[in-house]
Amino acid sequence: EVQLLESGGGLVQPGGSLRLSCAASGFTFSNYAMSWVRQAPGKGLEWVSGISGSGVSIFYADSVRGRFTISRDNSKNTLYLQMNSLRAEDTAVYYCARVDSDYPDDYFDYWGQGILVTVSS
Amino acid sequence: DIQMTQSPSSLSASVGDRVTITCRASQGISNFLAWFQQKPGKAPKSLIYATSTLQTGVPSRFSGSGSGTAFTLTINSLQPEDFATYYCHHYNSDPSGRSFGGGTKVEIK
Repeated sequence: EVQLLESGGGLVQPGGSLRLSCAASGFTFSNYAMSWVRQAPGKGLEWVSGISGSGVSIFYADSVRGRFTISRDNSKNTLYLQMNSLRAEDTAVYYCARVDSDYPDDYFDYWGQGILVTVSS
Repeated sequence: DIQMTQSPSSLSASVGDRVTITCRASQGISNFLAWFQQKPGKAPKSLIYATSTLQTGVPSRFSGSGSGTAFTLTINSLQPEDFATYYCHHYNSDPSGRSFGGGTKVEIK
């Protein structure tokens, strides 16, 4: 059974940093691209970043480019999102999602349960 | 960037009804369109990809159709567990070009 479990969220002040993790199980992690998608309170879904199965190809939304860094450790079956220079508008539930391909341009087939990040003073 | 527009934004329906949700792309996207279901406080669940292919385990009362710029999600014989918000999602372009529709909330009449 495919499982994705996010962790690392919480309350952080504007300008602060946070690192999210997504622990994957039930599949060969390195064979699949992964993405982060967020959802602000009461709002719709917004794609944040994607990474290929090998970790070589990386993509970001304009809203986070230069502030967020996606990475993965295939030996630990874990996806990461390092978030720096956080803003109030980054407040959201962050989901990790599996891409049904080793390149991050295909559809999402599995999602984690999400983790809340709140940016507030 | 390709914009995805869903309609209606919400609808009320009864158990047993047939429900249709529309998603329009600002330009042609071939068949690279997926649908998700999300219940309050829960993660999205993949329903359909490639416009009309059901994800494993999704009931056959769900169906998708369309091509180019106009797509629909149809739920035949709405069940109590189907009351949720549904999102369309364009993928398979520039990976940075993914976009989601604004969502359609299906509520109980």
